[in-house]
Amino acid sequence: GQQVMQIPQYQHVQEGEDFTTYCNSSTTLSNIQWYKQRPGGHPVFLIQLVKSGEVKKQKRLTFQFGEAKKNSSLHITATQTTDVGTYFCAGGVGGSTLGRLYFGRGTQLTVWP
Amino acid sequence: DAGITQSPRHKVTETGTPVTLRCHQTENHRYMYWYRQDPGHGLRLIHYSYGVKDTDKGEVSDGYSVSRSKTEDFLLTLESATSSQTSVYFCAIGRGNNQPQHFGDGTRLSIL
Repeated sequence: GQQVMQIPQYQHVQEGEDFTTYCNSSTTLSNIQWYKQRPGGHPVFLIQLVKSGEVKKQKRLTFQFGEAKKNSSLHITATQTTDVGTYFCAGGVGGSTLGRLYFGRGTQLTVWP
Repeated sequence: DAGITQSPRHKVTETGTPVTLRCHQTENHRYMYWYRQDPGHGLRLIHYSYGVKDTDKGEVSDGYSVSRSKTEDFLLTLESATSSQTSVYFCAIGRGNNQPQHFGDGTRLSIL
């Protein structure tokens, strides 16, 4: 069945270092979404990418959608302790009515001060 | 955050008892979802709804049933709870089935 694979599962960095998490799908996606979940909290929607090769930035966060629309990455520049949490990608398949959203298992980011 | 309320927020119950979790939204979104979250498994879809009385199974639906009698309410029922159903349960809402979802605060359910 449809799967969205996300790596790494865990990442420990020192404050100021960069961080990247990767998401891969076996099939072409209609869109890719990224969510952040703080410890003890709920997933919060960050961004959606729709176009092939699309790149979007939110301050220190850079999101990319691959040319084939099968992979994506989230890069954080100069991590801060406020970046701690689990980052999930979610791949959209099909249309808005009959399609589905498939979540990766997430990358848990720990930041040492 | 979107207007989503989950109740109860915490529950401890015994094996074999029925449990119902409620999700209430004030956003008038068509789609509503129930997920469970366990360490190492991320978010796994249990059931979802695409309208009043319209529901479908997710990847881990065994042992769970749902009902949606009103646009704003989506209920998740464990008919006879088992210890393997101890988890954190999240409700989410969305405008389309592959569109961004907004999550409730979650229900922490412990089955002893």
